Amino acid sequence: AQSVAQPEDQVNVAEGNPLTVKCTYSVSGNPYLFWYVQYPNRGLQFLLKYITGDNLVKGSYGFEAEFNKSQTSFHLKKPSALVSDSALYFCAVRDISSFGAGSYQLTFGKGTKLSVIP
Amino acid sequence: DGGITQSPKYLFRKEGQNVTLSCEQNLNHDAMYWYRQDPGQGLRLIYYSQIVNDFQKGDIAEGYSVSREKKESFPLTVTSAQKNPTAFYLCASSPGLVVSETQYFGPGTRLLVL
Repeated sequence: AQSVAQPEDQVNVAEGNPLTVKCTYSVSGNPYLFWYVQYPNRGLQFLLKYITGDNLVKGSYGFEAEFNKSQTSFHLKKPSALVSDSALYFCAVRDISSFGAGSYQLTFGKGTKLSVIP
Repeated sequence: DGGITQSPKYLFRKEGQNVTLSCEQNLNHDAMYWYRQDPGQGLRLIYYSQIVNDFQKGDIAEGYSVSREKKESFPLTVTSAQKNPTAFYLCASSPGLVVSETQYFGPGTRLLVL
């Protein structure tokens, strides 16, 4: 079974400060990890993903995420937050081993609401 | 939201009524998905389809039905058996069945019960 935890329901950060949105995962095999952002009443927009290789992944809008296998984490980061970054952020995982068994499911966390304060 | 369209944006359902949510994509993607989003619960998979004329149940398929007669279309019917249908419904697609592929989402349909 695969699962994702986003331990913070809400994160508040001042504009211009660095931001971190936390994500931990659990899989039986190796993970593929994804971050999405959702603005109010909109669909999810893809930000970045970790497949293999460099543990630091760079994505859209200046976001990056660091894969840490020993801590089973994939935290989303940005050096300087903008008010326009305020949104709901979702982490998702797919277990490579379950894919081979015919399961294509992407499991999402419950989301973290990011508020950037001017 | 890319090349995935969902309609309508808002849908109202009466008791005992079946309603159908539309999802169309022009990305030439093989795989399509339906998710349900409830506040504080993230996204839960209802159904997915890998190819035309084939689909599989997700975690919460009860009370829902789908069809995949065309590659670009994957409509979702919310039947009267679904007792708590109020939610935000998201359709997604991905190029194929490679495990590393990204899913791309439509703008969503909000279903409300009258």
